[in-house]
Amino acid sequence: GDSVTQMEGPVTLSEEAFLTINCTYTATGYPSLFWYVQYPGEGLQLLLKATKADDKGSNKGFEATYRKETTSFHLEKGSVQVSDSAVYFCALTPGGNYQLIWGAGTKLIIKP
Amino acid sequence: KAGVTQTPRYLIKTRGQQVTLSCSPISGHRSVSWYQQTPGQGLQFLFEYFSETQRNKGNFPGRFSGRQFSNSRSEMNVSTLELGDSALYLCASSLGPAGGANVLTFGAGSRLTVL
Repeated sequence: GDSVTQMEGPVTLSEEAFLTINCTYTATGYPSLFWYVQYPGEGLQLLLKATKADDKGSNKGFEATYRKETTSFHLEKGSVQVSDSAVYFCALTPGGNYQLIWGAGTKLIIKP
Repeated sequence: KAGVTQTPRYLIKTRGQQVTLSCSPISGHRSVSWYQQTPGQGLQFLFEYFSETQRNKGNFPGRFSGRQFSNSRSEMNVSTLELGDSALYLCASSLGPAGGANVLTFGAGSRLTVL
């Protein structure tokens, strides 16, 4: 069945470092892909999305490109801040069915 | 506009009791989805309601139930609580059925502790 695999965390970086969180998926059809972020003590917020191959989603300095050939949607940011510390979830909605399928989440810790 | 509101934010119950959680979606949103989040299992989908009808259901026992009212507010109920039901219960609303172009907006969650 459809699935999402994220790199295991925690990922610990220093402030201003470059961030990559890997996400790969398995899906039939043409899924939409999402990154959500969960800050401590809060619910999830949509960070960015892409609905078709080669689309790039971007928000708050984060980017992710929908790569159908490698079935990936890796999250990147050029210079992270302490305030980016959170748990990041990759998710997809399969074509033809609508409920999101979630990755396990990757905890990101940014040290000053 | 107001976001998704979940009540109560925190609650403590004992085994065997039942609990009802409430979710008020963003005004105009007709779909409400419920998720259980635990450290071990991550995010697990419980069910989705759209226009007062259950549209999708996850793989949870019958002790977990929900409903949606005509104003789109939703409640979920867990009966005969077990220790393993301790979790953060998240509600999310969307304009149309969850998925595709309809982005989910989440509430802050209700943290349930079962003793």
